[in-house]
Formats: sequence, C-alpha cells, structure tokens
Amino acid sequence: GAGVSQSPSNKVTEKGKDVELRCDPISGHTALYWYRQSLGQGLEFLIYFQGNSAPDKSGLPSDRFSAERTGGSVSTLTIQRTQQEDSAVYLCASRTLATGTGELFFGEGSRLTVL
Amino acid sequence: KNQVEQSPQSLIILEGKNCTLQCNYTVSPFSNLRWYKQDTGRGPVSLTIMTFSENTKSNGRYTATLDADTKQSSLHITASQLSDSASYICVVSETGGFKTIFGAGTRLFVKA
Repeated sequence: GAGVSQSPSNKVTEKGKDVELRCDPISGHTALYWYRQSLGQGLEFLIYFQGNSAPDKSGLPSDRFSAERTGGSVSTLTIQRTQQEDSAVYLCASRTLATGTGELFFGEGSRLTVL
Repeated sequence: KNQVEQSPQSLIILEGKNCTLQCNYTVSPFSNLRWYKQDTGRGPVSLTIMTFSENTKSNGRYTATLDADTKQSSLHITASQLSDSASYICVVSETGGFKTIFGAGTRLFVKA
C-alpha cells in the first residue's frame, strides 16, 4: 500500500478482555516495529521484526503482550487480559532493508482505551 | 547504555520567532540521526537525516546540525508558524540502521 495502515484506529475495551491490533506495512518493507506511546510521553519500543529473523521482543512489558508477523507482511499485536495501564496509542512502523538510511514510516496508530 | 536525551521537554514560543531544540546521544556505533515531527494524534514523520560526515542539513524552515565529536544535534526552526506546534523527536540509529533509539521528544507550542 501507499503507507503503513493500522486498525482499528480506536479501541475501547473492558479490563480483562483481550485485544488485537493490526498493522499492514508498506509493501516490500522487511522491517516492522511496534511502539507504545502513552499520553504526552515518548515512544516506547515493544517489538521488532526483520525478515525471517527471530523477532526482538526485548521491549514487551509483560507476557500478556505478544506479536506475530505472518508471511513477512501483516503484523498483529495481541494484548491479553488488558489492564488500565495498557491504555495508550500503539504505533506501527516499517522500513525497507534496501535503503540503508533507516527512515521509519509510521502508521497513524491505534488508540487503546481500557476501562 | 545507548541513550538519546532531548531538551527542553517543552517549549512555548510566539508565531514568527525562531527556536532551537537540542539532542544529545550516546549511541555507538553511530549510523545516522533523524529528526521526526509528530503532530497531535498522528504518527511521526521524518524531517531530516544526518550521517556521520554531515554537519548541517536544511529542509525549508528546519535546519538540523550534527556534531559527531560531541554527539550533539540541534534542530533550528526559523520564523515559526502555528502549524509547527508538534512534538519533535530525535532518533539515532546504530550502524546497520536496524537498531533505533528514540528520544522522549520536545513538545513545541507556537502561539499567535
């Protein structure tokens, strides 16, 4: 696609429910990142996928968070048993391996509100 | 530990005035440094990229500088406009461009 697409743009859920957030990166981009941004705060790295390599999961805050990337394209971030502190904007970004300049192209984010 | 620190945390200026945002980093080995602009409710968008050998780069009213020896960068905004109100994020990549460290950002408010 023309840009990084994320869905849903907004999600309101009850505490304890599971949520899935989807990211569709730019076609041909091999690297995909998930970040979390709480209100008024900076970006917090969650997880990174690069081609067929094992993902870098070092930023996931707890085992309630997981992500997968199927077929080297679309990625899903899953949060199980959501807590109120999970409320944030979840941003996905992708970039191509070929450029070497490292520019990240971001989606518009998925705003999660846990009641 | 690789870190990127930005200052000030927030800044309020009057429309038409200039301002300078600072970024200090300890990322090594250094590949490049980018400044991103993030409008409220949007994803960040790249403004400039600086590599090791570059000292200054301009993009319209935005001018970024880099001192690789002191590991400092600045973003200068000239003749600010209301639309410049946003968060400005300094992002440093390690060699290879895959490991990326984000600063916390500077929130700029431009008032009429």
